[in-house]
Amino acid sequence: TQLLEQSPQFLSIQEGENLTVYCNSSSVFSSLQWYRQEPGEGPVLLVTVVTGGEVKKLKRLTFQFGDARKDSSLHITAAQTGDTGLYLCAGAVTGRRALTFGSGTRLQVQP
Amino acid sequence: GAVVSQHPSRVICKSGTSVKIECRSLDFQATTMFWYRQFPKKSLMLMATSNEGSKATYEQGVEKDKFLINHASLTLSTLTVTSAHPEDSSFYICSATGTLTEQYFGPGTRLTVT
Repeated sequence: TQLLEQSPQFLSIQEGENLTVYCNSSSVFSSLQWYRQEPGEGPVLLVTVVTGGEVKKLKRLTFQFGDARKDSSLHITAAQTGDTGLYLCAGAVTGRRALTFGSGTRLQVQP
Repeated sequence: GAVVSQHPSRVICKSGTSVKIECRSLDFQATTMFWYRQFPKKSLMLMATSNEGSKATYEQGVEKDKFLINHASLTLSTLTVTSAHPEDSSFYICSATGTLTEQYFGPGTRLTVT
């Protein structure tokens, strides 16, 4: 059973479109991180959210942590081909240093 | 962000041999390192948590005698795949964390067992 469910699993869109990726769980997380991974490389940290209701912006990317700290979303505005990759959310549970990774969302942005 | 390196980036070995993969934190002291395995187009699967100077904690289903982990210093952890078989072929990724919760990942090691 996947503790963190991501949706959609795969998304193919045209350059310039907007999209939202969701990360949902029944568990409460002390913090949640979003990563992007390109083929053959390790994940790269995009953002960490720690407070319920928190919203963080990173250029065209907007991250939100749910009020109850059980879910999160990633919204990309005006997607570019360089946004193509595997997006992973990962949650930290109090008392455990290891992260629990979501199932991943594979984004393909077509020119 | 912090820099984590892995070596080698790719390795091909014959069935029955052992392979060692190194994970180094280059600009910070990593009190904890993690080893993951990733299958094609899938998410990361945690194999074990390694704390400097102590035995690694393995996740359920991961054979500790097959995947030997050593974390002898605050900047180096190694994963040795012993008596490798074709089913061990995978992308192995390490991550490191210091005093904060963020994990910084290495670039990964592609292991192919023939």
